Amino acid sequence: ILNVEQSPQSLHVQEGDSTNFTCSFPSSNFYALHWYRWETAKSPKALFVMTLNGDEKKKGRISATLNTKEGYSYLYIKGSQPEDSATYLCASFGNEKLTFGTGTRLTIIP
Amino acid sequence: DTAVSQTPKYLVTQMGNDKSIKCEQNLGHDTMYWYKQDSKKFLKIMFSYNNKELIINETVPNRFSPKSPDKAHLNLHINSLELGDSAVYFCASSAQRRNEQFFGPGTRLTVL
Repeated sequence: ILNVEQSPQSLHVQEGDSTNFTCSFPSSNFYALHWYRWETAKSPKALFVMTLNGDEKKKGRISATLNTKEGYSYLYIKGSQPEDSATYLCASFGNEKLTFGTGTRLTIIP
Repeated sequence: DTAVSQTPKYLVTQMGNDKSIKCEQNLGHDTMYWYKQDSKKFLKIMFSYNNKELIINETVPNRFSPKSPDKAHLNLHINSLELGDSAVYFCASSAQRRNEQFFGPGTRLTVL
């Protein structure tokens, strides 16, 4: 993998359901993996920064895992709420810069 | 208190003009960045400064010149604006280069 890739590109989830999406990144020259939440008409806000293989981080109903050897991270949202609607960006820090994926646009259906 | 601020929020100008966007952070961070959000909503790094020193210049045309008068400010000056420069430009800062980044509200530049 040469770039940071996210899937799916967009997702519609019923309120109350749980969901997850994927970030793939180059495993060479890797130092950290960032997840950001980006609401419409606002600026991206950091959710997690993870560095170690096997890292798991949690903030309320949102959690993330990291596999640096195979170059992927998952973001999980449990019991989706309308306020979870946003674009979720992952970014890999390597070679002194943060390279962003194109994001997963999540829409929660009430 | 706004952590990372940018001015102006909107900028509409004619092709060929020179314009500047200002960015200030009050977080005491050492590192500041400029990103361009392209038409596909993709965030791409343009420049990175650490303690007023240029760290990253990501093959940006020479018409773009960042200036960091002190570590709390990173301004972006653009000469001879072109239609393709129309985009949203985000400033960001972080305590250290690998840490989470704090983004400004963005500046929407429209070149006519």
